[in-house]
Amino acid sequence: AQSVTQLDSHVSVSEGTPVLLRCNYSSSYSPSLFWYVQHPNKGLQLLLKYTSAATLVKGINGFEAEFKKSETSFHLTKPSAHMSDAAEYFCVVSGLGGSEKLVFGKGTKLTVNP
Amino acid sequence: EPEVTQTPSHQVTQMGQEVILRCVPISNHLYFYWYRQILGQKVEFLVSFYNNEISEKSEIFDDQFSVERPDGSNFTLKIRSTKLEDSAMYFCASSEIRMRTTGELFFGEGSRLTVL
Repeated sequence: AQSVTQLDSHVSVSEGTPVLLRCNYSSSYSPSLFWYVQHPNKGLQLLLKYTSAATLVKGINGFEAEFKKSETSFHLTKPSAHMSDAAEYFCVVSGLGGSEKLVFGKGTKLTVNP
Repeated sequence: EPEVTQTPSHQVTQMGQEVILRCVPISNHLYFYWYRQILGQKVEFLVSFYNNEISEKSEIFDDQFSVERPDGSNFTLKIRSTKLEDSAMYFCASSEIRMRTTGELFFGEGSRLTVL
């Protein structure tokens, strides 16, 4: 079965410093992977997705993620955090071939300090 | 920017009561979904819906749950007889084309259900 593990439930950074949100996946085949973000009182928004094309994926708001098959990882990074990046971030894997469902990690809450 | 809207934002109900959560998907989208998140747990898939029928459902989606698209715009989730363990945030989502093709779902802000 597909699954993702987000290694940190809470990450705190200072504004202007790099962001690293870690995600490891488990999949019996080559997966599609996503990062979604949820700002307070807002819906889940797609940040970026990996679907077996380039392993370095660029998303919105300066975020990017690198698919590393050897490490089964899909960590989310951003060179310089903004206050507006404070939100909850979810690493997500698609279901087995033919499935419609997404499988979510538990989420990482990002706090950005001034 | 088009968005998925959900009502109510918060509903409190007594155990055993019926609840209907409503969603208005993005207008040109064809695929519709419900997910839920129990406090402190992962977001979980409940059901997907296309062409007026369920295309996939999880083991959570038992006979107490049903979905309907009663008109051209609304997509509803009904829980017939609520249990305490149904307390959760329920997210509606829609997509323009089949999930396994693009993976981009557009989510609403969620409806928080509290069962007492």
